Amino acid sequence: EAQVTQNPRYLITVTGKKLTVTCSQNMNHEYMSWYRQDPGLGLRQIYYSMNVEVTDKGDVPEGYKVSRKEKRNFPLILESPSPNQTSLYFCASSLSAGYTQYFGPGTRLTVL
Amino acid sequence: ILNVEQSPQSLHVQEGDSTNFTCSFPSSNFYALHWYRWETAKSPEALFVMTLNGDEKKKGRISATLNTKEGYSYLYIKGSQPEDSATYLCAFITDSSYKLIFGSGTRLLVRP
Repeated sequence: EAQVTQNPRYLITVTGKKLTVTCSQNMNHEYMSWYRQDPGLGLRQIYYSMNVEVTDKGDVPEGYKVSRKEKRNFPLILESPSPNQTSLYFCASSLSAGYTQYFGPGTRLTVL
Repeated sequence: ILNVEQSPQSLHVQEGDSTNFTCSFPSSNFYALHWYRWETAKSPEALFVMTLNGDEKKKGRISATLNTKEGYSYLYIKGSQPEDSATYLCAFITDSSYKLIFGSGTRLLVRP
């Protein structure tokens, strides 16, 4: 089944404790992206990747890191999480830039 | 900062009513416009990808039009049904960076 998977789906952590949210797609897509969703603000792009080893900042990259060492995986790293990073996070992939985005199930993160 | 605006923010209609929403985006550096449907507790799902000025797309009772010169797209739902209740998001992609910029969405509630 073609899909985008994210793990974990739910996470409660404390300020400053490094964490990684994994994202994997099995559709051989070139473009992958991370978004956060906050009430009243819609989806905001954090980082995106046009292909392996190519990553670019979205609109809200501060406090986040990403890597794209393999085509299928695009982990989101929070080196030192803070409470303002409490949010719902979505990973998405598409064949290429501009094509339909396929979203993962979301990760709800709470930073205390 | 590029801005994508959607109106109205929310809409309550009766079953059987037809309705439409607007997505406004910058008219320069246009690459593509996406429409997504987002049900509560699920992930966004693609409705349409539109790339050419004058594009019209249709899927069942839902259709969309695109005007890239003036920077707007309309989404129409004919004969709304309770299962159409969702948030409808549009996303603008620029040809200069291939970032996706989402609007904050229109929340539709269809009463039986």
